[in-house]
Amino acid sequence: EAGVVQSPRYKIIEKKQPVAFWCNPISGHNTLYWYRQNLGQGPELLIRYENEEAVDDSQLPKDRFSAERLKGVDSTLKIQPAELGDSAVYLCASSSRGDRGAEAFFGQGTRLTVV
Amino acid sequence: QKEVEQDPGPLSVPEGAIVSLNCTYSNSAFQYFMWYRQYSRKGPELLMYTYSSGNKEDGRFTAQVDKSSKYISLFIRDSQPSDSATYLCAMIKGGSEKLVFGKGTKLTVNP
Repeated sequence: EAGVVQSPRYKIIEKKQPVAFWCNPISGHNTLYWYRQNLGQGPELLIRYENEEAVDDSQLPKDRFSAERLKGVDSTLKIQPAELGDSAVYLCASSSRGDRGAEAFFGQGTRLTVV
Repeated sequence: QKEVEQDPGPLSVPEGAIVSLNCTYSNSAFQYFMWYRQYSRKGPELLMYTYSSGNKEDGRFTAQVDKSSKYISLFIRDSQPSDSATYLCAMIKGGSEKLVFGKGTKLTVNP
């Protein structure tokens, strides 16, 4: 069974430029999460989807971040414009309904560097 | 004060040692407790998942939850160099789906 797939693995952009990350969750997983992990910190939730509905986006900086999960499968996370402080690893995770997010499977992440 | 506190280390031990990793939390609403392992440049992977106080054992790993003290632990017996990674504790409140992570403790097991 394929795991959570994220792309790209690494991205370097100049500040004020846009950037997008893509995630393909494990087949059949209806819950999808985007987390941000700063250096030396634990992951912090940005947004959680149940199928195509964003059910928790309270931590998403909506002035510059947006996300979508069309058809309840793949998801993209976009930043526009990027700021220096956005440099971090962006992790996507997925889980099945009823797992309470505990048995969430993570992708390898996209390491973003804003210069 | 953060909801979940975890000493970032680093922690360095010789091969074969018993490792003890700990987290404390401030909110008694947390009901589900997890330990994740994260290798360098990889995503976190779930090691242990417990609900309620008590111990849970899986091979060389034992997770312990003490809700009265708001304290959780992960013990690794007979540690191996392959155990070298960052260990993250995580918790979920009752009625929530949101994982709240600690900072992670970086562990190195020296051969």
